[in-house]
Amino acid sequence: GAGVSQSPSNKVTEKGKDVELRCDPISGHTALYWYRQSLGQGLEFLIYFQGNSAPDKSGLPSDRFSAERTGGSVSTLTIQRTQQEDSAVYLCASSLVALGGPSGNEQYFGPGTRLTVT
Amino acid sequence: AQSVTQLGSHVSVSEGALVLLRCNYSSSVPPYLFWYVQYPNQGLQLLLKYTTGATLVKGINGFEAEFKKSETSFHLTKPSAHMSDAAEYFCVVSSNTGKLIFGQGTTLQVKP
Repeated sequence: GAGVSQSPSNKVTEKGKDVELRCDPISGHTALYWYRQSLGQGLEFLIYFQGNSAPDKSGLPSDRFSAERTGGSVSTLTIQRTQQEDSAVYLCASSLVALGGPSGNEQYFGPGTRLTVT
Repeated sequence: AQSVTQLGSHVSVSEGALVLLRCNYSSSVPPYLFWYVQYPNQGLQLLLKYTTGATLVKGINGFEAEFKKSETSFHLTKPSAHMSDAAEYFCVVSSNTGKLIFGQGTTLQVKP
């Protein structure tokens, strides 16, 4: 079946502009996660959704970052007034359930969106 | 709080040699542990996982890992390295809120 998809695959933006990154999880997966992969920081958790609600937003680095999920499916990560330090690969993952179960929260990752802020 | 430490940011082995990538974790609750692999210019792929039960878990491409609670370790091994194994490997623990906590990654180089 189809995996997690993300768009765009690459985004170049000027400092100060807003950007929106999109994630389409695997159909039927109730949990959705956003991570960021950058050279200096490795892979960092940003936010996770269970259905349409976000029980854990602890990884969002500043109030310029926000995310929403509608209809328990597609999610959008928005970065306002982008800064050069926002340059990174933004990864989305989904899992059947958030916790427990035999899958143990196995997450399936999308190919990522490479964001470059100039 | 959970955390993961991968020992060695770069590991180099000869083709056909044993691969050993070390990982130690910290968790206040029984952990779910994973190894993910990222091939050059590709996304993250699950290699194997430990949830409960058998402590020796087998994954794809001949990799396996052993959960040792007494040592808080989850080292990844493969008896014989292949050139195609060159990639970055991440040891991961699942937090009690569902998010994944990644180690810093180990880049595996396989020399001919």
